[in-house]
Amino acid sequence: KAGVTQTPRYLIKTRGQQVTLSCSPISGHRSVSWYQQTPGQGLQFLFEYFSETQRNKGNFPGRFSGRQFSNSRSEMNVSTLELGDSALYLCASSLVVSGSYNEQFFGPGTRLTVL
Amino acid sequence: GENVEQHPSTLSVQEGDSAVIKCTYSDSASNYFPWYKQELGKRPQLIIDIRSNVGEKKDQRIAVTLNKTAKHFSLHITETQPEDSAVYFCAASSGGQNFVFGPGTRLSVLP
Repeated sequence: KAGVTQTPRYLIKTRGQQVTLSCSPISGHRSVSWYQQTPGQGLQFLFEYFSETQRNKGNFPGRFSGRQFSNSRSEMNVSTLELGDSALYLCASSLVVSGSYNEQFFGPGTRLTVL
Repeated sequence: GENVEQHPSTLSVQEGDSAVIKCTYSDSASNYFPWYKQELGKRPQLIIDIRSNVGEKKDQRIAVTLNKTAKHFSLHITETQPEDSAVYFCAASSGGQNFVFGPGTRLSVLP
């Protein structure tokens, strides 16, 4: 099976712009989670989507939003970019079997640089 | 909400020695604790996990222990090798796919 893919891999934007990142989960995985990774803060949970619905949300401002399509692909959008948004954005997909915990498979990440 | 602390932030060991990384969590409802390894420039990968109904789990050179009363769990790596050098993250979940990660431990195995 192909792994989790993310596009683009690298992105450079300027303050005030907006950006959209894409994540394609492993085939058959219906849950997609997004994380922000920075050197000082580790992995910070943004949100999780399952069957096109946001199930969980982390403590990020409303500038960060996402959605999931019927094929489980997910997009994350950040509006009005700030310098502090520079980070590696990781998505992870899970199979999700009811009643059990399921391994998260991470994508390679999108490195966003805000100038 | 859940808070996960992880110590140490950096750890250097000689090849062949053991390494121990400790995590504490705050939410007593947390019942699933995975550990991820992230090599430089690569994505995090699950290396071992433990559920709250188990006190210890082993997989070859790695093991994880859980103390629910004290709310802490630890990763043990024995006979360390250079390829064990990476950043290790612990995480906790009380259900679903909502994971809280620790800040990470950078392990360096010196030849």
